[in-house]
Amino acid sequence: GQNIDQPTEMTATEGAIVQINCTYQTSGFNGLFWYQQHAGEAPTFLSYNVLDGLEEKGRFSSFLSRSKGYSYLLLKELQMKDSASYLCAVKDDYKLSFGAGTTVTVRA
Amino acid sequence: EPEVTQTPSHQVTQMGQEVILRCVPISNHLYFYWYRQILGQKVEFLVSFYNNEISEKSEIFDDQFSVERPDGSNFTLKIRSTKLEDSAMYFCASISDGNSPLHFGNGTRLTVT
Repeated sequence: GQNIDQPTEMTATEGAIVQINCTYQTSGFNGLFWYQQHAGEAPTFLSYNVLDGLEEKGRFSSFLSRSKGYSYLLLKELQMKDSASYLCAVKDDYKLSFGAGTTVTVRA
Repeated sequence: EPEVTQTPSHQVTQMGQEVILRCVPISNHLYFYWYRQILGQKVEFLVSFYNNEISEKSEIFDDQFSVERPDGSNFTLKIRSTKLEDSAMYFCASISDGNSPLHFGNGTRLTVT
């Protein structure tokens, strides 16, 4: 099975940087994904790591360490529209399993 | 950009009734999924479907649930006899190959009264 842990809530100021950590224990691993979800909407894909290291995509970066079962999502230059839930998800052979999500609140 | 489309956006039904949730995956995608999200809770895997058969299903996906790809474009989730606890947002997703990120539809909000 999959066990995916991430903090429940984080608050940051507009323009700042926030790092959302995710630890996982899985029976199979074919990649770690980060999704953004606004309230009442579908998850939208942000970033994907299958190998160790940092992937950068504009203001968003994601890091993976497979040996430690650890990933983080880094959000830079925070904007008010970044207030959302951020979901860490691990893929095994057949499916994506999600963590409970981290609600990020961006304050002016 | 191609999208996964789901209908209806909101469905209200009475306990014990059958519901069918419909999805049109992205046209060249081969793997199809249903997930659900109860209000305030995490996104939960229900079932994956590949090559016209179920590849994996969760404990939630009991005998009351079934999936079908009736005509090569639609992908449906049927709940035979709905219960109050089936009230949730149901998301369909598809991917082109096993390593791609899932593309989610906008979801169907199912309310069972």
